[in-house]
Amino acid sequence: GAGVSQSPRYKVAKRGQDVALRCDPISGHVSLFWYQQALGQGPEFLTYFQNEAQLDKSGLPSDRFFAERPEGSVSTLKIQRTQQEDSAVYLCASTPSRTGKTEAFFGQGTRLTVV
Amino acid sequence: AQTVTQSQPEMSVQEAETVTLSCTYDTSENNYYLFWYKQPPSRQMILVIRQEAYKQQNATENRFSVNFQKAAKSFSLKISDSQLGDTAMYFCAFMKTGNKLVFGAGTILRVKS
Repeated sequence: GAGVSQSPRYKVAKRGQDVALRCDPISGHVSLFWYQQALGQGPEFLTYFQNEAQLDKSGLPSDRFFAERPEGSVSTLKIQRTQQEDSAVYLCASTPSRTGKTEAFFGQGTRLTVV
Repeated sequence: AQTVTQSQPEMSVQEAETVTLSCTYDTSENNYYLFWYKQPPSRQMILVIRQEAYKQQNATENRFSVNFQKAAKSFSLKISDSQLGDTAMYFCAFMKTGNKLVFGAGTILRVKS
């Protein structure tokens, strides 16, 4: 595709509900990252995939957060039993290479509001 | 762990003037990359400029340039001839090779006409 696509753009969830956020990276991009951006803050790293392998999940805040990229392209970030502190913008980024030598392309994010 | 500090929560500048946004970082790495990203209200994170730590020459992209002081761990962004479209949140970010970005808290820049 032309850019990184994320859906939905907005999601309102009741506390305790499960949600799934989708990221469609640029075709052929090897690396995919998820970030969480709280209101008025900088994005914080959640997890990183190289193709289908999840190489780093050190930023996931709890075991309620789960990410997958089963075929090395589309990725889904799942949050179980959502809580109010999960309210944030979730950004996805992809890069064409395995190294940090190329630009990361970001999607427009999904704004999650837990009520 | 790496940290990135942006000490200016908000900045204002008159159209056509120059403004400098500050950024400092802390790392024990020798090889890494530094970035400035722009995030307008649309939330789309847009790369403004990047700097490889092994390069002594400061990066420049049209009206945007950086002052990279490796020993001082400082990486400021200068925007010349500011335009209304430059109004956005600006994030300084650090990355060691092949890995995740570590962002600062951001600086809101408002360009006034």
